[in-house]
Amino acid sequence: DTGVSQNPRHKITKRGQNVTFRCDPISEHNRLYWYRQTLGQGPEFLTYFQNEAQLEKSRLLSDRFSAERPKGSFSTLEIQRTEQGDSAMYLCASSPSRGNPVQTQYFGPGTRLLVL
Amino acid sequence: AQTVTQSQPEMSVQEAETVTLSCTYDTSENNYYLFWYKQPPSRQMILVIRQEAYKQQNATENRFSVNFQKAAKSFSLKISDSQLGDTAMYFCARPFGNEKLTFGTGTRLTIIP
Repeated sequence: DTGVSQNPRHKITKRGQNVTFRCDPISEHNRLYWYRQTLGQGPEFLTYFQNEAQLEKSRLLSDRFSAERPKGSFSTLEIQRTEQGDSAMYLCASSPSRGNPVQTQYFGPGTRLLVL
Repeated sequence: AQTVTQSQPEMSVQEAETVTLSCTYDTSENNYYLFWYKQPPSRQMILVIRQEAYKQQNATENRFSVNFQKAAKSFSLKISDSQLGDTAMYFCARPFGNEKLTFGTGTRLTIIP
């Protein structure tokens, strides 16, 4: 068990470019979450997958954002036409789904995005 | 409102001392969970401690303990015998529908040698 991994760890891009981040959850964790964390703030929920199904999206996830988890394993988060306001740390977390009680989410190291 | 409030943006304490971080939250539920997460500088977030609201006993994990006051909707974290490795951002969090977490704004804790 190597924990949640995210790639790349850092990304610098120019405004208007597209970027894609990858998250590999802990194996056999069927729940996967994406969060965004801006400087000086706590993480904010973006979207949630149960296996390959995207079950919830935050209003923060504009139409420039898309997330997938095609085989219920790794997930990608793509941002199209990046804006400077997209600069943030993007965190991925996974948890098992074994019913009650509420499961602990395990976080990856994050991808820090800087849009110039 | 699904809010979690941490009113202490920064705190510092001498090594080996005890420090308490505050957290308050909103809820209309009777049974729920609360978490404290730690985010060390440039490292990933890890769970420090969790509390189930229906349990009256405060959770304890080694040097970390909570003071859970359900009526006051307060959930503070006490770190005893603080160590240099405790230097980090600390976030209070609550899960809501689909167990997505709502976090407070965090407290930056510095342990001074």
